[in-house]
Amino acid sequence: GQQVMQIPQYQHVQEGEDFTTYCNSSTTLSNIQWYKQRPGGHPVFLIQLVKSGEVKKQKRLTFQFGEAKKNSSLHITATQTTDVGTYFCAGLLSGNTGKLIFGQGTTLQVKP
Amino acid sequence: DTAVSQTPKYLVTQMGNDKSIKCEQNLGHDTMYWYKQDSKKFLKIMFSYNNKELIINETVPNRFSPKSPDKAHLNLHINSLELGDSAVYFCASSNTWTPWDTGELFFGEGSRLTVL
Repeated sequence: GQQVMQIPQYQHVQEGEDFTTYCNSSTTLSNIQWYKQRPGGHPVFLIQLVKSGEVKKQKRLTFQFGEAKKNSSLHITATQTTDVGTYFCAGLLSGNTGKLIFGQGTTLQVKP
Repeated sequence: DTAVSQTPKYLVTQMGNDKSIKCEQNLGHDTMYWYKQDSKKFLKIMFSYNNKELIINETVPNRFSPKSPDKAHLNLHINSLELGDSAVYFCASSNTWTPWDTGELFFGEGSRLTVL
């Protein structure tokens, strides 16, 4: 079936180190969204990427959408303890399905 | 004022029982969803409704029946609860140009269902 794979599943970093999570789809996506879920919380929207090769930045966060619109990445520069949580990518399948398929998530732990 | 609110937040019940979770959004969005998050944090779409019309019905057992009385409400009723139904159920809403174009999802705080 249609899947969105996300790696790594877990990442432990020292505060100040960089962090990257990768997302790959088996099919072309209309767009990709990224969400952050704090421990015990609910997913909160971060950003949406629509165009092939698109790059967007939000302060220390950089989001990329691949040229083939099948992969994406989120990079955090100089992590802080407030970055702790699970980061999900979610791809909207092409073809008017309305289905937003979530990756498995990457859980980030930051040691102070 | 909470944008997407779900009740109850916690639900502990016995196998075989029937239970409901309610969701309301005050964002004026046309589309509402139910997602299930299992113990491994995997988020899976169950249903979506656009203006009270069912759009997405993923391979969910018939024991799960969503109901949308109006576009601001989407409830989930579960019959004959099983152990495997234990999860966090998230309601979400979004503003969409068409029923198939999903914009930013606004999630509720979740309803943690535990089946004993």
